[in-house]
Amino acid sequence: DGGITQSPKYLFRKEGQNVTLSCEQNLNHDAMYWYRQDPGQGLRLIYYSQIVNDFQKGDIAEGYSVSREKKESFPLTVTSAQKNPTAFYLCASSMTSGGETQYFGPGTRLLVL
Amino acid sequence: EDKVVQSPLSLVVHEGDTVTLNCSYEVTNFRSLLWYKQEKKAPTFLFMLTSSGIEKKSGRLSSILDKKELFSILNITATQTGDSAIYLCAAFAGNNRKLIWGLGTSLAVNP
Repeated sequence: DGGITQSPKYLFRKEGQNVTLSCEQNLNHDAMYWYRQDPGQGLRLIYYSQIVNDFQKGDIAEGYSVSREKKESFPLTVTSAQKNPTAFYLCASSMTSGGETQYFGPGTRLLVL
Repeated sequence: EDKVVQSPLSLVVHEGDTVTLNCSYEVTNFRSLLWYKQEKKAPTFLFMLTSSGIEKKSGRLSSILDKKELFSILNITATQTGDSAIYLCAAFAGNNRKLIWGLGTSLAVNP
């Protein structure tokens, strides 16, 4: 049963704390993406990775970090430098980054305590 | 600057109505246009369009791309309450190999 999984579904962050959102895919896709979605703002790209051990900043990378040590995994860390982290975070993957369809995981909702 | 503009931003219709959602784009080295449906969680893929003038159809949903005028439409006929969702349009920019997203159209279908 192929797909993309994200965990946790909900995450609470205290001020000054780093938190890590998990994204795993078993679709054998090369490219993976992290988006942030705020009400009325559409999807904004945080980071993307076209291949293992390589990733690029998206449009709003400040305050976030990623790693791509395995093809199937692309975790996102929301650091304490991200001052407004409350949002819905979506992970996606595509076969390559050449324009193919992106498929999304179920999302993680991050809330600040 | 690459951009995708969707209209209207929101729409309320009655069951059985037909709706047309619009998506215009200005994207460098355009490769494809994608439509997604989002119901409170992850966007689900509807269509990918790469060729101008060729309609893609799935049940009551259809979509077409006009590469000359730089827009796409998504039609939903005989709407049902289950069609209530945000419909997202995205254009693929070949130069930086990423999707440029519109803000979405929020569709509410009332019984």
